[in-house]
Amino acid sequence: SQQGEEDPQALSIQEGENATMNCSYKTSINNLQWYRQNSGRGLVHLILIRSNEREKHSGRLRVTLDTSKKSSSLLITASRAADTASYFCATDGDQFYFGTGTSLTVIP
Amino acid sequence: GAVVSQHPSWVICKSGTSVKIECRSLDFQATTMFWYRQFPKQSLMLMATSNEGSKATYEQGVEKDKFLINHASLTLSTLTVTSAHPEDSSFYICSARIPRGEQYFGPGTRLTVT
Repeated sequence: SQQGEEDPQALSIQEGENATMNCSYKTSINNLQWYRQNSGRGLVHLILIRSNEREKHSGRLRVTLDTSKKSSSLLITASRAADTASYFCATDGDQFYFGTGTSLTVIP
Repeated sequence: GAVVSQHPSWVICKSGTSVKIECRSLDFQATTMFWYRQFPKQSLMLMATSNEGSKATYEQGVEKDKFLINHASLTLSTLTVTSAHPEDSSFYICSARIPRGEQYFGPGTRLTVT
């Protein structure tokens, strides 16, 4: 059932720019994960951040988690055309939530 | 992190035939696995929850006789789409929950029924 949302729904940026996507949720969580999905392809796990963590890095990805605001953000730095995909957040805790995603287009 | 695989990644079948999709947890034992369906440009829709050694629990509106789920071991769950029809064409994704509670998704299987 819907317990949160992601924004923006769609984002278009120039290659080299940073992209930020946000995820908000409503219930208590144990962890939050971000996934990428290229058009017509499967999910790719990007990063997991636990409820007691505030920030996590993986390559060009930076994820923050603010449990007081019940929100998370995914930052992709120095974007590339290959980053064009949909990005989803998923929370696990009192209630499982998988977002509707943010569609990112990186223009070469 | 934990790895969940699905096989096949893509399948095309004729209307009326059955298709089996496998979901495996590669480096952990999953007491619970979930099956989802994803429609284009939409989020995941939970179809059923599968516990090892017991019958799956289906969500409202999901036909249990059409979508057969078997969770025979702690590392394998299968979803069989019986008598598939074009409207069953979709992206099917499984996830597995590790003992301490985290849930990881498989890459998904694209089913096209012609």
